[in-house]
Amino acid sequence: KQEVTQIPAALSVPEGENLVLNCSFTDSAIYNLQWFRQDPGKGLTSLLLIQSSQREQTSGRLNASLDKSSGRSTLYIAASQPGDSATYLCAVSPFLQTGANNLFFGTGTRLTVIP
Amino acid sequence: ETGVTQTPRHLVMGMTNKKSLKCEQHLGHNAMYWYKQSAKKPLELMFVYSLEERVENNSVPSRFSPECPNSSHLFLHLHTLQPEDSALYLCASSQELGNYGYTFGSGTRLTVV
Repeated sequence: KQEVTQIPAALSVPEGENLVLNCSFTDSAIYNLQWFRQDPGKGLTSLLLIQSSQREQTSGRLNASLDKSSGRSTLYIAASQPGDSATYLCAVSPFLQTGANNLFFGTGTRLTVIP
Repeated sequence: ETGVTQTPRHLVMGMTNKKSLKCEQHLGHNAMYWYKQSAKKPLELMFVYSLEERVENNSVPSRFSPECPNSSHLFLHLHTLQPEDSALYLCASSQELGNYGYTFGSGTRLTVV
């Protein structure tokens, strides 16, 4: 069964700093990987989706990379702002051929950006 | 607003009550999902529907009963819940089953007393 791990569980940084969040997964047979943001008590907002054939995706100050063979993804946030404070979740989707219809989530990294 | 709308946003119910959670999407997606998010645990898949047919029931107790009357609406009927069922219940949709980008709703925060 696919297991997704996110380290660290929590991270505090001063405003303006660049930072990297890590995600690792045990089964490299994935179809895509998605990064989400979750504000306290709220639902998930999709940030970036990387297909298994891609190496990275960028959106504004966010850049996500994928190394499928090593089972790793990183989310890079440039010039962090207090509004970036949230929990960041990584989720992988298995190959369609497996018949699985699930997203496998990590437990997230809670980011606090200090003004 | 993500395009997936969940109501109510908050719900407090007694263990003997019956209530329903509602999810609605007008994104033209064909697959819809219920997830449960408990404190300090990864999101857990509960149910999957594709074109209004249930395709997966992830070992969920029968006190949770899903309904998908059409491809835009998904319900989760609740009865005789336990306090440990208190959680954030999230609805999601995707263009097709399983392997496309997912869009999540804002969730229903359920408290069972």
